[in-house]
Amino acid sequence: KAGVTQTPRYLIKTRGQQVTLSCSPISGHRSVSWYQQTPGQGLQFLFEYFSETQRNKGNFPGRFSGRQFSNSRSEMNVSTLELGDSALYLCASSLDRGLGSPLHFGNGTRLTVT
Amino acid sequence: EDQVTQSPEALRLQEGESSSLNCSYTVSGLRGLFWYRQDPGKGPEFLFTLYSAGEEKEKERLKATLTKKESFLHITAPKPEDSATYLCAAPPQGGSEKLVFGKGTKLTVNP
Repeated sequence: KAGVTQTPRYLIKTRGQQVTLSCSPISGHRSVSWYQQTPGQGLQFLFEYFSETQRNKGNFPGRFSGRQFSNSRSEMNVSTLELGDSALYLCASSLDRGLGSPLHFGNGTRLTVT
Repeated sequence: EDQVTQSPEALRLQEGESSSLNCSYTVSGLRGLFWYRQDPGKGPEFLFTLYSAGEEKEKERLKATLTKKESFLHITAPKPEDSATYLCAAPPQGGSEKLVFGKGTKLTVNP
């Protein structure tokens, strides 16, 4: 069974630009969560989508947004990039929203903002 | 604020030298405690879920235990391939299903 696929693996952008990251969950998984990982803050929750609806949102500014499609694939968008947005962005899928369904992570998109 | 704290930040062991990693949490009414392993350049890989104090789970050289205030990941006779960052996480109060992660323990096992 294919794992969670994130594209692209690496991105270099300039301050002020916007970026879109893509995530394909494990087949059959309906919940998709996004996390930002930095050396200083560790893993921080961005948002969770289930059935094309945002169910939870972390403490990030409105420049961070996302969506989920009917096939459970998800995208996240960051507008007006800042240097501090440089991070590893991780997508995780789970069968459903319950705690009994563990998160399965992709290998992330490494975003560098210059 | 719900917090998950891991210690130590880094741990170096010789192959075969057993030790434990600690995860303490301030979430009241804990609904689950999760352990993940993360290798460099990769996403976290799920290891265990523990739901109640006294529960234990094992996988190869790893055993996770849970008390009312903390969890331990015991590593018995580690091998170099056990080198990784180990993360623990818990859902916050309030019923949200998102996970709050600790900052991890970076384990290095020398041959």
